[in-house]
Amino acid sequence: EVQLQESGPGLVKPSQSLSLTCSVTGYSITSNYWGWIRKFPGNKMDWMGYISYSGNTNYNPSLKSRISITRDTSKNQFFLQLNSVTTEDTATYYCVRSYYGYNFDYWGQGVLVTVSS
Amino acid sequence: QITLTQQAESLWISPGERVSITCRASQSLLYTDGNHYLSWYQQRPGQTTKALIYHASVRTDGVPTRFIGSGSGTEFTLSIEHVQPEDFAIYYCLQTLKSPYTFGAGTKLELK
Repeated sequence: EVQLQESGPGLVKPSQSLSLTCSVTGYSITSNYWGWIRKFPGNKMDWMGYISYSGNTNYNPSLKSRISITRDTSKNQFFLQLNSVTTEDTATYYCVRSYYGYNFDYWGQGVLVTVSS
Repeated sequence: QITLTQQAESLWISPGERVSITCRASQSLLYTDGNHYLSWYQQRPGQTTKALIYHASVRTDGVPTRFIGSGSGTEFTLSIEHVQPEDFAIYYCLQTLKSPYTFGAGTKLELK
């Protein structure tokens, strides 16, 4: 069974970087697409970006140059880094498998990240 | 970017009833391969998000047959027949036709 699990700090200070890890079991990240989604307080969902089976990335332009998604295939993990965070980045962050780009069929449980001084 | 509108923020229903949740796109979600790139998801507190429907009408493996996706072009519907207690949740539509992918605002199914 495919399983995804997010990990990382639950509290980040403004202007610092948010870094999260998604550990995948039951499926190789060298196949398919792997992404990050966040859910803001109030339930609005935001697609952040993905990294493909080949290592190519695609980001939401709204995040401009703040976002980076990378991977470690030897550990079957992929990562999110979001720079220069503000309180508006406070959200629950989810990692997902995007099955050939059209069905987000596996999700992690999500991790709440609060940006506060 | 493509905007998805879920008009109903909440819907109040009783178990056993049928309910329809609508999602309207700001442009057609039909691709040249003949598929609509519209999918539906269920979020329940304490549970992982569940993929229900992709390509507008195809059930993800293991999803009960009471969940039915329909629609084309810019208008899509998720119907749930004979709503069960475990179906009270938030439902989102998502378009993956064009980047940036975008979600609807969500519709919460609440117990009447």
